[in-house]
Amino acid sequence: AQSVTQLDSQVPVFEEAPVELRCNYSSSVSVYLFWYVQYPNQGLQLLLKYLSGSTLVKGINGFEAEFNKSQTSFHLRKPSVHISDTAEYFCAVMGSGGSNYKLTFGKGTLLTVNP
Amino acid sequence: DVKVTQSSRYLVKRTGEKVFLECVQDMDHENMFWYRQDPGLGLRLIYFSYDVKMKEKGDIPEGYSVSREKKERFSLILESASTNQTSMYLCASVPTVNYGYTFGSGTRLTVV
Repeated sequence: AQSVTQLDSQVPVFEEAPVELRCNYSSSVSVYLFWYVQYPNQGLQLLLKYLSGSTLVKGINGFEAEFNKSQTSFHLRKPSVHISDTAEYFCAVMGSGGSNYKLTFGKGTLLTVNP
Repeated sequence: DVKVTQSSRYLVKRTGEKVFLECVQDMDHENMFWYRQDPGLGLRLIYFSYDVKMKEKGDIPEGYSVSREKKERFSLILESASTNQTSMYLCASVPTVNYGYTFGSGTRLTVV
């Protein structure tokens, strides 16, 4: 079984500042890792994913994340945020050896970008 | 553009009613999922299906059932709605892990 911990439930930042949203996972098997974004009153949209290969993954809207196996982390970063990045962000994990594609989500981090 | 469509954005139902939430995808995906989303709890898996007529329980299946008679449609059924089932319900589908999930816009259900 897998679990995900998002260390901050809320992160307020000013526009054009850098941001890091933290995610740690626990699993007894190898994993795939994902970040999703949810804008108000919408479903979730895939930001980026780590399946294998380079540990630095680039996604949409200028976001990137780094997979650190030794620290079991997958933190999301953006060097300069915009007002439009205000949303809730979810980290998720999937066991790579399974065949049912089941995702386990963290509880989410609400990013608020202030002018 | 690929789509997962949930038939209702908002629903209000009475306690004890049988409730059907419908989800349709147009991508020929084998795998479909139902999650509920509650503030501070994130997304929790209710049921999933990896093929027509196949289903498996997720983490919180109590009080729910599902139906998948056709590949494109996955229905969530609340057998007897209760107030603690007031929540946002999200449907998702995925063909293989390489693409990630595609989510519907969600159904916000209120049970009164």
